[in-house]
Amino acid sequence: QVQLVQSGADVKRPGASVKVSCKTSGYTFTSHGISWVRQAPGQGLEWMGWIGTDNGNTNYAQKLQGRLTMTTDTSTSTAHMELRSLGSDDTAVYYCVRVGSGNFPPAFDYWGQGTLVTVSS
Amino acid sequence: QSVLTQPPSVSGAPGQRVTISCTGSSSNIGSGYDVHWYQQLPGTAPKLLIYDTTNRPSGVPDRFSGSKSGTSASLAITGLQAEDEADYYCQSYDNSLSGWRLFGTGTKVTVL
Repeated sequence: QVQLVQSGADVKRPGASVKVSCKTSGYTFTSHGISWVRQAPGQGLEWMGWIGTDNGNTNYAQKLQGRLTMTTDTSTSTAHMELRSLGSDDTAVYYCVRVGSGNFPPAFDYWGQGTLVTVSS
Repeated sequence: QSVLTQPPSVSGAPGQRVTISCTGSSSNIGSGYDVHWYQQLPGTAPKLLIYDTTNRPSGVPDRFSGSKSGTSASLAITGLQAEDEADYYCQSYDNSLSGWRLFGTGTKVTVL
């Protein structure tokens, strides 16, 4: 079965960076893109960006460009998300999601369990 | 920042029918892009509920249905059950600079 298992919760100081990993299994990693979505406490879902797992192409949400980097390791079927220059408004649960293969735009068909990142001094 | 607007909350008694609207614009739903819906139970990750506007993934009860017209989409839940109490989000694509993938503002469904 398809699984996306994320790294554990993290606490960071303002101005620091955080890197969250997402290990996938149960499907061919390079057949589906990976997106990252975050959810601030009590708030809605925010799309952060996408990475093509076959070619490494990326597309980031405009508000996060310059601070966000998504990478993949095809040898371990793992995706990574790094966010730099953290501020308190980056406190959120971060989800990795598998991008489906249906009509454009394809749906996010499988989700990781989420990783809580807390930014606090 | 989201340009997909949903009502903050809807409620209904068990067995009733409720609908959730997702209002967009000509740069997203109105351009013909498909809409997806996600259900987020309390304390859990979201789950795909409806994809490509009208389709249900395997395992999703047929009480859930989706539709689209013009610049809006809707999710209907018929025969509302206590286990349906959750947050629901629509999603589509936007061809403007405001965002490549958009989520709706979210709707809390309460079963009375």
